[in-house]
Amino acid sequence: AQKITQTQPGMFVQEKEAVTLDCTYDTSDPSYGLFWYKQPSSGEMIFLIYQGSYDQQNATEGRYSLNFQKARKSANLVISASQLGDSAMYFCAMREGRNAGNMLTFGGGTRLMVKP
Amino acid sequence: SQTIHQWPATLVQPVGSPLSLECTVEGTSNPNLYWYRQAAGRGLQLLFYSVGIGQISSEVPQNLSASRPQDRQFILSSKKLLLSDSGFYLCAWSVRWRGGPGELFFGEGSRLTVL
Repeated sequence: AQKITQTQPGMFVQEKEAVTLDCTYDTSDPSYGLFWYKQPSSGEMIFLIYQGSYDQQNATEGRYSLNFQKARKSANLVISASQLGDSAMYFCAMREGRNAGNMLTFGGGTRLMVKP
Repeated sequence: SQTIHQWPATLVQPVGSPLSLECTVEGTSNPNLYWYRQAAGRGLQLLFYSVGIGQISSEVPQNLSASRPQDRQFILSSKKLLLSDSGFYLCAWSVRWRGGPGELFFGEGSRLTVL
């Protein structure tokens, strides 16, 4: 079974509007972390935001917020006031447990295209 | 500040030829190191990770191998490349996880095309 599922292969959003990128995860471990990364066309992976499984409040970083619904096992990324520079691939990822290797499992990604 | 570099950035190799991709991290000690592969338009697949010199864990059986000869150096190798080895290879590092995000920091990537 997929541990991280991103069901939207591609999304369009109008500049200055908000957009939500979906992510669902699957784990039986009570301790885990959820991450979002941005990958522009250059290929680099840019860390955006993190949510711990025990965090009571949704994480926010500037225009990025994470809508964490633990019971539904979803960790959607919300980008407010979209900018042309937000056009990129976005990946959701999970770290399970307190593994010494600290490995992340990634979803298939969502390509976001911001229209002027 | 910490930096991570990997090279070469682009590589075109014939089937059956060897491969060596290198990755180095600066500004930190005892990092965890990772090699991920990304097929075109797809997500990242973990290939190898290392928690210390000479300690390599493989996530998927494959035609590739990894080595960590020094604390901040991670090398991805193959003796004979296959067509299916084509892809975008990303090296990453993280601190030893002690709570908090422990996010991965990625290099610029190496694009391998096997012909």
